[in-house]
Amino acid sequence: KAGVTQTPRYLIKTRGQQVTLSCSPISGHRSVSWYQQTPGQGLQFLFEYFSETQRNKGNFPGRFSGRQFSNSRSEMNVSTLELGDSALYLCASREGSNQPQHFGDGTRLSIL
Amino acid sequence: AQSVSQHNHHVILSEAASLELGCNYSYGGTVNLFWYVQYPGQHLQLLLKYFSGDPLVKGIKGFEAEFIKSKFSFNLRKPSVQWSDTAEYFCAVSPGSARQLTFGSGTQLTVLP
Repeated sequence: KAGVTQTPRYLIKTRGQQVTLSCSPISGHRSVSWYQQTPGQGLQFLFEYFSETQRNKGNFPGRFSGRQFSNSRSEMNVSTLELGDSALYLCASREGSNQPQHFGDGTRLSIL
Repeated sequence: AQSVSQHNHHVILSEAASLELGCNYSYGGTVNLFWYVQYPGQHLQLLLKYFSGDPLVKGIKGFEAEFIKSKFSFNLRKPSVQWSDTAEYFCAVSPGSARQLTFGSGTQLTVLP
């Protein structure tokens, strides 16, 4: 099976812009979660989607949003970008509620 | 809110040395426990997981971890490390519903040849 696929791998944006990141989970996995990884804050949970519904949300401002499509693919959107949004954004998928999460390579977002 | 502590930020060992990385969590209920590894330039990979049953869990590449409920700990061990084990190691916890992961800050392991 192919792993979790995230596109694009790298993005450079400027303050105030918005960005959309994409994640294709492992085939058959219906749950997709998003995490932000920074040197200062480490790995932090953003949100989780299952069957097109957001089931859980971390402590991030409303500028961070996401959605999931019927084929389980997910997108994450960040609006009004700030310098502090520079990070590696990781997507993870899992098969069921009692299964581990499998991570993609991430999208590295740099804000100038 | 749950939290995870990894007290060793950077560990340097010589090849063939034994490894133990500490992980403590704070959460009063049933937990699922994980160790992930991130090799340079690669994605996070699952090393091992604990959901229930035998508290001594064996993972890939010769790693194992022991869940000690009374100490809220899930330490990672390997009897003899190799240069290829150089990576960052993350302990993670999720509540019994196995939804979001709370990660520790990570331990950078450097193995000298």
